[in-house]
Amino acid sequence: DTGVSQNPRHKITKRGQNVTFRCDPISEHNRLYWYRQTLGQGPEFLTYFQNEAQLEKSRLLSDRFSAERPKGSFSTLEIQRTEQGDSAMYLCASSLSRNQPQHFGDGTRLSIL
Amino acid sequence: QQQVKQSPQSLIVQKGGIPIINCAYENTAFDYFPWYQQFPGKGPALLIAIRPDVSEKKEGRFTISFNKSAKQFSLHIMDSQPGDSATYFCAARDPGSTLGRLYFGRGTQLTVWP
Repeated sequence: DTGVSQNPRHKITKRGQNVTFRCDPISEHNRLYWYRQTLGQGPEFLTYFQNEAQLEKSRLLSDRFSAERPKGSFSTLEIQRTEQGDSAMYLCASSLSRNQPQHFGDGTRLSIL
Repeated sequence: QQQVKQSPQSLIVQKGGIPIINCAYENTAFDYFPWYQQFPGKGPALLIAIRPDVSEKKEGRFTISFNKSAKQFSLHIMDSQPGDSATYFCAARDPGSTLGRLYFGRGTQLTVWP
C-alpha cells in the first residue's frame, strides 16, 4: 500500500517540550495538507504545501508551529514549547491536484502530560 | 463559525436499516461535497463525493442526496452492516482558494447493531 504515511503514530510528551511529526505523501502528489483533529470534531486545516512552497497557513497555526517540505517530498510539522491545548490528532493529506480528492494518513496522536 | 453543520452527532440503527446523515452549508460558492468515513485510530477515508450540479449520486450502498436551493446534502447508507459502524464527516470545498480548502462538519458517530 503506497498511501499517505505518518510517523510516529503516537507521541506522549511533557508540556514545554518540542515535538516533530513526519508525513510521507503519495509519491506523485505535489499537494500536501496538514490538519488537526480534536475529539468530537472534524479535521481543521492548518497549512498547505504545493511542492516545496508553503502557500497557505490557518490562523490555528500559531508561531510555535512550523512546517517544512524540503524538496517537495516528505513534510515535517514541529511544535515548540508544547501546551496542553496542543493535544490532538495531527493528520496529513495529499492530492494530485486541486480538483482531485485529498487522501489522508492515519495521523499522529499527540498527548501532552 | 462552522462553515458546514452536520447532524445528528450520533446515530444507532439495526442491521439492514438506512441511516441518514444531514449537512447544511451557507456558502453558495462551495463547489464539491465529499463524505469521509473514519474508523477509530485511522485517518478519514473518502467514501463518496458530489458536485452541486447533480442532485443524487450512488456508489454501492452509499447515496448522496443534494438540494442546492436548500443548501443541504445528506448521506444515506442502504442495508447498513455492523462494519459500517464508524464516524462519518461531510465536507465542502472552497473554490476561491488555490489549495481547494475543505471545511469539515463535526462528524456523526454511527453504530449499526447486528
